[in-house]
Amino acid sequence: GESVGLHLPTLSVQEGDNSIINCAYSNSASDYFIWYKQESGKGPQFIIDIRSNMDKRQGQRVTVLLNKTVKHLSLQIAATQPGDSAVYFCAENSNGNKLVFGAGTILRVKS
Amino acid sequence: GAGVSQSPSNKVTEKGKDVELRCDPISGHTALYWYRQRLGQGLEFLIYFQGNSAPDKSGLPSDRFSAERTGESVSTLTIQRTQQEDSAVYLCASSLAWQTDTQYFGPGTRLTVL
Repeated sequence: GESVGLHLPTLSVQEGDNSIINCAYSNSASDYFIWYKQESGKGPQFIIDIRSNMDKRQGQRVTVLLNKTVKHLSLQIAATQPGDSAVYFCAENSNGNKLVFGAGTILRVKS
Repeated sequence: GAGVSQSPSNKVTEKGKDVELRCDPISGHTALYWYRQRLGQGLEFLIYFQGNSAPDKSGLPSDRFSAERTGESVSTLTIQRTQQEDSAVYLCASSLAWQTDTQYFGPGTRLTVL
C-alpha cells in the first residue's frame, strides 16, 4: 500500500546550525505534502506545506523542498533553536483527503 | 480563536470496558478527522467526516471502533470492549473543508487500557 517514510529516526544538531530532515514518499500520485511538528504531550502543529506543482517553498526559518523525480521531500530549518526540538512528521495527501504520515524524525538541538 | 479541544486528556480503563472520547473542532470547520498514535510511532488515520457526507471509515481497525459527529460540531469516538493494544493517543483534527486544507490538531486523549 501507500507509505511515507523517513530516512533518519533521530537528528542531533548544534544550536545555530541548519537542520535538514528528509522524507521519502511512495505514491507518485500525491499532490500535496505537509510537514508537522509535534512537541511532547501535544498534537501535531502545521509547519509548512507544498503542492506538487512546486519544488520549493519558504516560510519563516523553514524551507520545504520537493523532488518528484525521486519522490523525496525535505524540511530545512535555518539557525536551529532549542525550541525546535520535537518530532517532525511528513505527510502526503493523495486521494480522498486522507493524510498518510511517516514514522517521524526526532530533532534534538544541543546548546 | 479557540483551537481543537479534546476530552478527557487522559483516560485509564480496564480491559473489556467501553470508552468514549470527545472532540470539539474549530468553529466553522466542516471536516473532522480522528487519528491514532501509538507510542513512538506516526499517526494512523481512523475516520473522516465531511459535512453531511457519509464518513470515510476505512481506517477503523475493527468493529469495536465507531465514531459519530453531530452536524458540523462535536464528534465522539467510541471504543467498545477495549483491549490493551488500543492503548495510544487518539488525536482529532479539523479543517475548513476538505482536500488540501490544513488540518489543525487537538492535544489528544491518552488512552491506557490495563
